[in-house]
Amino acid sequence: DTAVSQTPKYLVTQMGNDKSIKCEQNLGHDTMYWYKQDSKKFLKIMFSYNNKELIINETVPNRFSPKSPDKAHLNLHINSLELGDSAVYFCASSQGRNTGELFFGEGSRLTVL
Amino acid sequence: QQQVKQSPQSLIVQKGGISIINCAYENTAFDYFPWYQQFPGKGPALLIAIRPDVSEKKEGRFTISFNKSAKQFSLHIMDSQPGDSATYFCAPRLGSARQLTFGSGTQLTVLP
Repeated sequence: DTAVSQTPKYLVTQMGNDKSIKCEQNLGHDTMYWYKQDSKKFLKIMFSYNNKELIINETVPNRFSPKSPDKAHLNLHINSLELGDSAVYFCASSQGRNTGELFFGEGSRLTVL
Repeated sequence: QQQVKQSPQSLIVQKGGISIINCAYENTAFDYFPWYQQFPGKGPALLIAIRPDVSEKKEGRFTISFNKSAKQFSLHIMDSQPGDSATYFCAPRLGSARQLTFGSGTQLTVLP
């Protein structure tokens, strides 16, 4: 049973479109994250939610909007997709806000044409 | 991300050899020093971590060495195996910000 699951795993779309990535964790954790990994494998945090409250919001274009309907879910919606948005997006979860152990999903590869 | 410098960018080791990956940091507010392992097509996973009050931690073939005065910590993989081939990230935690700062990654290839 997958601990942190993301859908879809692959996403290919045209510039200007809007897309969403969904994430669910069944670990009972209270904190969830979105990370972006670029083509050079550089990992950068985008957002973090603790008990549905946004606690980290890095410098990310406002075309990216996270939404946490409950503690187990954190979705990412991207408007007006650009070529530079092509990357692998990882969802992660942890127990507590101040932990060094994050549990990552398998990633969603977004390709913008 | 310039707060954390990871080296080398890539590493090729023969089976049975020792792999060493280094991470240098600038911010003395980092308070927890993990290494993450990422296989192709998978998300990163915590491999081993150390707190700054300890100079070394060993778990099986994996050892972290921590040098607080030099602001460096390293990952040693003894008896490297082809199954260790992956990308490794140091990711020290900035306690005040409650988030990890990932290094640029090291792609390790262990030849059979």
